[in-house]
Amino acid sequence: DIQVTQSPSTLSASVGDRVTITCRASQRITSWLAWYQHKPGKAPKLLIYRASILHTGVPSRFRGSGSGTEFTLTISSLQPDDFATYYCQQYDTPAMFGQGTKVEIK
Amino acid sequence: QVQLQQWGAGLLRPSETLSLTCDAYDGSFSDYYWTWIRQPPGKGLEWIGQINHSGSTSYSPSLKSRVTISIDTSKNQFSLKLSSVTAADTAVYYCARGGHSPLDYWGQGILVTVSS
Repeated sequence: DIQVTQSPSTLSASVGDRVTITCRASQRITSWLAWYQHKPGKAPKLLIYRASILHTGVPSRFRGSGSGTEFTLTISSLQPDDFATYYCQQYDTPAMFGQGTKVEIK
Repeated sequence: QVQLQQWGAGLLRPSETLSLTCDAYDGSFSDYYWTWIRQPPGKGLEWIGQINHSGSTSYSPSLKSRVTISIDTSKNQFSLKLSSVTAADTAVYYCARGGHSPLDYWGQGILVTVSS
């Protein structure tokens, strides 16, 4: 089974900052990787799939990159609405989520 | 517009069976896999398992012995059963569209509490 390890677990940042979150897989996952944004009391939202494809309606400040075993989510200029928890997910089966990265206000 | 509406019992006693259902308002129901996910209080998202229109399933190794996911294509509906629940199964449970593909539509989430 493919494990995914996400880092950091918490990230403190200010509006306008560039933010980077990393997801590492225990073995090559052929880009079957997605990123989600999750806010308390709401359902998670899909941001990026196949490692780098922006889901419909997602702002272009979100960017996914990587291949093989290492993947990155970058927010180019953090906005007030972006303070949330972010998860990567490898969706080969059995699927698995990363542990999550909480982006909090510095 | 795809909508997922989930329902089921929100309070269980230890050893009971959790039972949740998700109604999918989606004209392409049979074209997708359908997935269950949960989030225990203060913890991250956990993938539970998935099913397709023909009933082919895949489950989390850690829950496999207790989980059953089923589907009713005539009702555009899929269900989750988790047997022998304990307090550790207390979580918000979500249904979602996807599996072997990203989870692009999610239900609203339902809190299931296990308590004696």
